[in-house]
Amino acid sequence: EPEVTQTPSHQVTQMGQEVILRCVPISNHLYFYWYRQILGQKVEFLVSFYNNEISEKSEIFDDQFSVERPDGSNFTLKIRSTKLEDSAMYFCASSSDMLNTEAFFGQGTRLTVV
Amino acid sequence: AQKITQTQPGMFVQEKEAVTLDCTYDTSDPSYGLFWYKQPSSGEMIFLIYQGSYDQQNATEGRYSLNFQKARKSANLVISASQLGDSAMYFCAMREGKDSSYKLIFGSGTRLLVRP
Repeated sequence: EPEVTQTPSHQVTQMGQEVILRCVPISNHLYFYWYRQILGQKVEFLVSFYNNEISEKSEIFDDQFSVERPDGSNFTLKIRSTKLEDSAMYFCASSSDMLNTEAFFGQGTRLTVV
Repeated sequence: AQKITQTQPGMFVQEKEAVTLDCTYDTSDPSYGLFWYKQPSSGEMIFLIYQGSYDQQNATEGRYSLNFQKARKSANLVISASQLGDSAMYFCAMREGKDSSYKLIFGSGTRLLVRP
């Protein structure tokens, strides 16, 4: 069964450092997403990506965040200068271009900023 | 205003009994989709069931069914014959048709604990 894979599963970084979270979406999907879940809270939308550009971003997704699909398979989320409040589980997801299909989620990357 | 509301932060159910997890939503878009995801303690998000706004019948997937009441804007998840492995967080989510990015909007979740 196809799946979304994320690496690393857990990353610890010092405040102010740059981090790159990596994702390999399902190969025939067209829409790619990053979501964030702060511990004990709900899952929040960060950004969606379609046709090699951002299609929508939330208020959370400020200038410190960027996304890229450098080689047609990987989908990355970069945080330029991490803050303590960036500590969260980050989920990558992908879906086809249909309204009525589920988004497939990766297993998540737990980011801890110290 | 909250688009997805889950009013039950926590629920208990006895093993083998049925349980209903509530979800109400708010949208003016006639075309939308409603989803339920399960998040066990390991953290991954597992898709359970989908209901489209134009679907005439309630969705069912094995022990999961969705009680869709369109006029009330509710999409409650019913888990029949609960198992210990059903203990997890459950999130209701919505995708709106007018939203070209097809993003999901999640509720705050319900933590279900199945008692032996």
